[in-house]
Amino acid sequence: ETGVTQSPTHLIKTRGQQVTLRCSSQSGHNTVSWYQQALGQGPQFIFQYYREEENGRGNFPPRFSGLQFPNYSSELNVNALELDDSALYLCASSLGQGFNEQYFGPGTRLTVT
Amino acid sequence: SQQGEEDPQALSIQEGENATMNCSYKTSINNLQWYRQNSGRGLVHLILIRSNEREKHSGRLRVTLDTSKKSSSLLITASRAADTASYFCATDPMNTGFQKLVFGTGTRLLVSP
Repeated sequence: ETGVTQSPTHLIKTRGQQVTLRCSSQSGHNTVSWYQQALGQGPQFIFQYYREEENGRGNFPPRFSGLQFPNYSSELNVNALELDDSALYLCASSLGQGFNEQYFGPGTRLTVT
Repeated sequence: SQQGEEDPQALSIQEGENATMNCSYKTSINNLQWYRQNSGRGLVHLILIRSNEREKHSGRLRVTLDTSKKSSSLLITASRAADTASYFCATDPMNTGFQKLVFGTGTRLLVSP
């Protein structure tokens, strides 16, 4: 177990709705990254937060947004859901901005109908 | 976009045999990491090898890195049924200003008793 937790485990939403996913990082870690994994694919980087600020972003539209809180937990928000947003959403925590291991949570399975 | 490509896409072996998976990538990297994923769940970190390292061992795992060929291999010795999973390589590209992991498409390993 990595100590990274995510909620909820599963979620079903309708196209056009908004969703919030949550992640608690491993104790002592101040960096959280979010990834989207479509079925049969490798995870794709969405963005990263370091000390409550967005630190870097992948090739995802602005309707994907996030927050990091003072306790380093994080939220991923997706607005105007599309069918293609159906995926496993993974968060990973790590220490600092150095080139260290990232430890992943179990993921949230989002289905958009 | 996926940077890495794992080869083979799928591998089926008997318990006790060795399993070798290869990963190729496109850009210069800070490090390369290998992860395991069971049945669409969270990723488990296996090993990190830095760009100035050529080989690393962890238990039954041996990882090599050839930066001139932009390739890496993961060897699992004396495989067990519990090793059945998908294995991903993930690169940390240089010059992004932050740490993001770029995953390959994965190798599905099946170890039969």
